[in-house]
Amino acid sequence: GAVVSQHPSRVICKSGTSVKIECRSLDFQATTMFWYRQFPKKSLMLMATSNEGSKATYEQGVEKDKFLINHASLTLSTLTVTSAHPEDSSFYICSAHLGDNYGYTFGSGTRLTVV
Amino acid sequence: QKEVEQDPGPLSVPEGAIVSLNCTYSNSAFQYFMWYRQYSRKGPELLMYTYSSGNKEDGRFTAQVDKSSKYISLFIRDSQPSDSATYLCAMNSGGYQKVTFGIGTKLQVIP
Repeated sequence: GAVVSQHPSRVICKSGTSVKIECRSLDFQATTMFWYRQFPKKSLMLMATSNEGSKATYEQGVEKDKFLINHASLTLSTLTVTSAHPEDSSFYICSAHLGDNYGYTFGSGTRLTVV
Repeated sequence: QKEVEQDPGPLSVPEGAIVSLNCTYSNSAFQYFMWYRQYSRKGPELLMYTYSSGNKEDGRFTAQVDKSSKYISLFIRDSQPSDSATYLCAMNSGGYQKVTFGIGTKLQVIP
């Protein structure tokens, strides 16, 4: 089946540094990818919609300059957490739509810890 | 009122039991309904994807949608310890529209 590969699965970084998370669609082209954040015991929160070749659409309350999204090709979207702070520590997950009859598939997630 | 309500559990059942997981929603525009299974520290895995009201069966899993009541269910037959995970319901109005998730129900199947 269709697979979305997300990398890295876990990253620890120092406060003030930037971290890039990659999301690749392995056997299909994804013109649109979605980035979520998940807090413990909370639902997935949509951060932004990543569109190939154009600017991402951010949800209300999500800082565009802090969470930079680039979707340069039909198979790759990246999320860069800039100037990371401990409160950015979370589980980040990307997703792609497979078509009207197939729903959405998710990457394996990235556990970010900012120390 | 949240758009999607889901009991977080935990729900503990003995191995072999039939599990019933449910969500209610308030947005009548929702047309597509999904169930995901999420193991700890992993991304959600799509189990079922349904459109509109009715039943859909896939192996041990059955998804039900009752749009008149704004109520969806996932049934797991012959539950196994490997089914122990968090189950998330999700829904949207179609296409590339924003997906709204429930909080997830934590299920534990006891051998």
